[in-house]
Amino acid sequence: EIVMTQSPATLSVSPGETATLSCRASQSVSSNLAWYQQKPGQAPRLLIYTASTRATDTPARFSGSGSGTEFSLTISSLQSEDFAVYYCQQYNNWPPLTFGGGTKVEIK
Amino acid sequence: EVQLVESGGGLVQPGGSLRLSCVASGFTFSSYEMNWVRQAPGKGLEWLSYISSSVIARYYADSVKGRFTISRDDAKNSLYLQMNSLRAEDTAVYYCARSMIRGVERFDIWGQGTMVTVSS
Repeated sequence: EIVMTQSPATLSVSPGETATLSCRASQSVSSNLAWYQQKPGQAPRLLIYTASTRATDTPARFSGSGSGTEFSLTISSLQSEDFAVYYCQQYNNWPPLTFGGGTKVEIK
Repeated sequence: EVQLVESGGGLVQPGGSLRLSCVASGFTFSSYEMNWVRQAPGKGLEWLSYISSSVIARYYADSVKGRFTISRDDAKNSLYLQMNSLRAEDTAVYYCARSMIRGVERFDIWGQGTMVTVSS
């Protein structure tokens, strides 16, 4: 099973600043990595897939990078609606499909 | 509108059973692979099960293998999760999720979730 580790667990950022979230895989997942955003009481929403491709309706301030075992999600110029929990997920080697533990982006 | 709507959650005693349903609309359900994902209160996401189009393949997480069964009825645009021998640790919100592309299991459409509580 591929273990996905996200860091930090919580990131405190002021509106307008940039947030960088990390996701590490226990073995290579190539570029088969997705990022999801989840707001309280809502289902997750696909933001990024194939490590760096923005999903439909994902704003350009969200960008993904990385391959192999190291990935990052960068949110530029944070807006109020961006404060949420973010999960990475690998789909390279499954079953099982595995998610990271999540990073909560909170208002500083 | 492309949509998934879950139902069937509720309170069940340990050892009991529950059947979740997920009804799809706005897309050709039979062409898509489908999954169940759950989220325990205050915790992260856990993938549970996958079913291919035409029911060629089904996969399960170890945590539910032998207790949960995924199925689908394409005529009813519906996905199901039969859950038996439920435990307290199965308490969670259960989501159905559509795979974006066949064979590439990233989830582009999610239902709103249905809450399952296992407690005496």
